[in-house]
Amino acid sequence: AQSVTQLDSQVPVFEEAPVELRCNYSSSVSVYLFWYVQYPNQGLQLLLKYLSGSTLVKGINGFEAEFNKSQTSFHLRKPSVHISDTAEYFCAVSDNYGQNFVFGPGTRLSVLP
Amino acid sequence: DAGVTQSPTHLIKTRGQQVTLRCSPKSGHDTVSWYQQALGQGPQFIFQYYEEEERQRGNFPDRFSGHQFPNYSSELNVNALLLGDSALYLCASSWTANYGYTFGSGTRLTVV
Repeated sequence: AQSVTQLDSQVPVFEEAPVELRCNYSSSVSVYLFWYVQYPNQGLQLLLKYLSGSTLVKGINGFEAEFNKSQTSFHLRKPSVHISDTAEYFCAVSDNYGQNFVFGPGTRLSVLP
Repeated sequence: DAGVTQSPTHLIKTRGQQVTLRCSPKSGHDTVSWYQQALGQGPQFIFQYYEEEERQRGNFPDRFSGHQFPNYSSELNVNALLLGDSALYLCASSWTANYGYTFGSGTRLTVV
């Protein structure tokens, strides 16, 4: 069975500051990892994904994440956030060719002016 | 190119009633998955449909059932509604063996 832990339920940060949203996973098999963003009253939008290859993955809107197998982590980072980045961020894991995802509980990122 | 379309956007039902939610996948996608997102939580996988068959199912009771039509659209049915079924129901579509799932905006179901 797989599980995902997002260590911070809420992260407030000032505009133009860097941010890191943490994600740890548990799985007995190789995994595929994803980050999704959810804006209020909307569905989920894929930010980035790790399937194989380079452990540093670049996504949309200036986000990137690094896969660390030894620490079973997939933390999301952005060097300079904008007000428009305020949203809920979900880390997800899949081990079955993406047939289903196990999502973490989410981290609410609030960017303050 | 339309993305994933879900209907209705909002729905209020009474305990014990039955509900049907609908999803039209993104053009070119043939696989549809359904997720339940309770307030303040991450989405939970309900089931996935491919070639009109349920391919995989999460830990949900038999009150939750689905269907996929030849045009790849899908329905989620929930019988004997409970207060705890109140949630945002998300539909996601993809092309087989492609990891690029596209999510719809969801249907907000409130059971009173």
